[in-house]
Amino acid sequence: DAGVTQSPTHLIKTRGQQVTLRCSPISGHKSVSWYQQVLGQGPQFIFQYYEKEERGRGNFPDRFSARQFPNYSSELNVNALLLGDSALYLCASSLLGGRSGNTIYFGEGSWLTVV
Amino acid sequence: AQSVTQLDSQVPVFEEAPVELRCNYSSSVSVYLFWYVQYPNQGLQLLLKYLSGSTLVKGINGFEAEFNKSQTSFHLRKPSVHISDTAEYFCAVSLMDSSYKLIFGSGTRLLVRP
Repeated sequence: DAGVTQSPTHLIKTRGQQVTLRCSPISGHKSVSWYQQVLGQGPQFIFQYYEKEERGRGNFPDRFSARQFPNYSSELNVNALLLGDSALYLCASSLLGGRSGNTIYFGEGSWLTVV
Repeated sequence: AQSVTQLDSQVPVFEEAPVELRCNYSSSVSVYLFWYVQYPNQGLQLLLKYLSGSTLVKGINGFEAEFNKSQTSFHLRKPSVHISDTAEYFCAVSLMDSSYKLIFGSGTRLLVRP
């Protein structure tokens, strides 16, 4: 079975531009989360979507937005890019959304460089 | 608020030696605990997790961790490491009522030398 897949794997953008990152969860998983991992740090939670609704949001500015589609895939959008947005963006999926402690599976990430 | 501290940014060890990677957490409520591994240029892979029950948790690749509630620790151990264990290891917690949100430590780089 395919794991969590993300695209693109690498991209370079200019300050002020907008970027869209895409994620397909493991088949059957209804929950998708996004994390930002800056070089040398642990991942930080950005969003969680479950059954196409936003269920959780981390401490990120409104420039960051996301959505989940009927097939449970997801997009992360970042507007007005700043140099500090350069990071590895990880998508994660799990079977359920909330209280079960079920395993969260991560994709290999999208490397975003802002110049 | 919850937080995770991994005191050691890098742990060098010789092949076949034992290793312990330390993790302490802070939370006023009960949490779930996790260890993830990240190999170079890859995503995160779950090594093990503690939800409840026995405080000694066994994971993949010969790793184990022990939950110590009084010391708010969840240290990761392996009795004999291999070169292939060289990677970044992250400890994480989540609240029981919002377990979709993982709070990670800053990571420990395990460097296994021949």
